[in-house]
Amino acid sequence: SAVISQKPSRDICQRGTSLTIQCQVDSQVTMMFWYRQQPGQSLTLIATANQGSEATYESGFVIDKFPISRPNLTFSTLTVSNMSPEDSSIYLCSVGHGDQPQHFGDGTRLSIL
Amino acid sequence: AQSVTQPDIHITVSEGASLELRCNYSYGATPYLFWYVQSPGQGLQLLLKYFSGDTLVQGIKGFEAEFKRSQSSFNLRKPSVHWSDAAEYFCAVDPSGSARQLTFGSGTQLTVLP
Repeated sequence: SAVISQKPSRDICQRGTSLTIQCQVDSQVTMMFWYRQQPGQSLTLIATANQGSEATYESGFVIDKFPISRPNLTFSTLTVSNMSPEDSSIYLCSVGHGDQPQHFGDGTRLSIL
Repeated sequence: AQSVTQPDIHITVSEGASLELRCNYSYGATPYLFWYVQSPGQGLQLLLKYFSGDTLVQGIKGFEAEFKRSQSSFNLRKPSVHWSDAAEYFCAVDPSGSARQLTFGSGTQLTVLP
């Protein structure tokens, strides 16, 4: 399976700032996804990162708050904008290729003060 | 409504005891089914998957799961739990089979007593 590197692994940020999370895969993949896992909760899909076009956002998530880039088939970024304490979560990147199951990175643990 | 239910929020077992984690789904057709494990400070690791065929599937780390269509269930089992199995376990379904629509259950936290 693909090896997924996610950076940073954790960060503590000030209210009102933005953070960009990177997801790098060691092979070309068809699909890349971004999830949020709020404290003590399950995973919720934020969006599907589409190569060369705008991401597809799930209900409740908007591009202004979570801009996503995917310049090629191995790399994507998620920005959490204008952060508030409610954005404190684990953000996870996952990849899918063909009919293979999604595989996940180790996540970014984000705390907002 | 389509859903995935893990009825047990927290399970505690003794090391060496057997384990069964429950998962029920509510979808019109049989979806693709998965179990993932999340160890503290880690991302999610795929334990096993069911697409079709044999309803008893073997996974990594000695885990297995059985798909029961009549009960809309996909329960995870392990005959003898090790202390390193302490983690959060998530059942997930993909109704489309396209790896695009993965819906997770709420998770079951497993504690292993020495």
